[in-house]
Amino acid sequence: AQSVTQPDIHITVSEGASLELRCNYSYGATPYLFWYVQSPGQGLQLLLKYFSGDTLVQGIKGFEAEFKRSQSSFNLRKPSVHWSDAAEYFCAVGPRTTAAGNKLTFGGGTRVLVKP
Amino acid sequence: IAGITQAPTSQILAAGRRMTLRCTQDMRHNAMYWYRQDLGLGLRLIHYSNTAGTTGKGEVPDGYSVSRANTDDFPLTLASAVPSQTSVYFCASSDGSRGYNEQFFGPGTRLTVL
Repeated sequence: AQSVTQPDIHITVSEGASLELRCNYSYGATPYLFWYVQSPGQGLQLLLKYFSGDTLVQGIKGFEAEFKRSQSSFNLRKPSVHWSDAAEYFCAVGPRTTAAGNKLTFGGGTRVLVKP
Repeated sequence: IAGITQAPTSQILAAGRRMTLRCTQDMRHNAMYWYRQDLGLGLRLIHYSNTAGTTGKGEVPDGYSVSRANTDDFPLTLASAVPSQTSVYFCASSDGSRGYNEQFFGPGTRLTVL
């Protein structure tokens, strides 16, 4: 069965510092990969996605993520965080075939706190 | 603005009562989903629908039912609510007609079962 692990439940980072959120997955084949962000009291917003091609993908709000097949990882990074980046971040994976539906499997989330 | 709406925003419900959470999308997406979000567990899929008229079970379907009479609406019903169904519920949709696309989420419904 597929699974997604986000090892860090909470991360505290100073404003202006760099941020890296880890995501590891277990899947039968290379899945589609996503990062979503959830601000307090809000729904989920897509930050970025990986389908194929360049393994370093750029997203919104200055985020990027790197797909490493050998490590089954899809870590999210931002060079310099802003106070508005305080939120919960979810990594998700989904199948490459529409026959299986577009069902996503989510990690448990990482809550990011930003210190002034 | 196109998107997904959910109602109600929040609800407190007595155990044993029946409750329907509403979800409507205006993007003409063929696929829709219901998730529940619980602390430390991320989002877990309850039910999904790949197209109007069809539904399927997700990871945690027990105690929930869905219907998909048309493209836009995907209500989730709790026939007899229990306290373990206290959660935040998110509806999502995706356009699978052009290959795999990301899911778009509604604002959520916070449900408390006492």
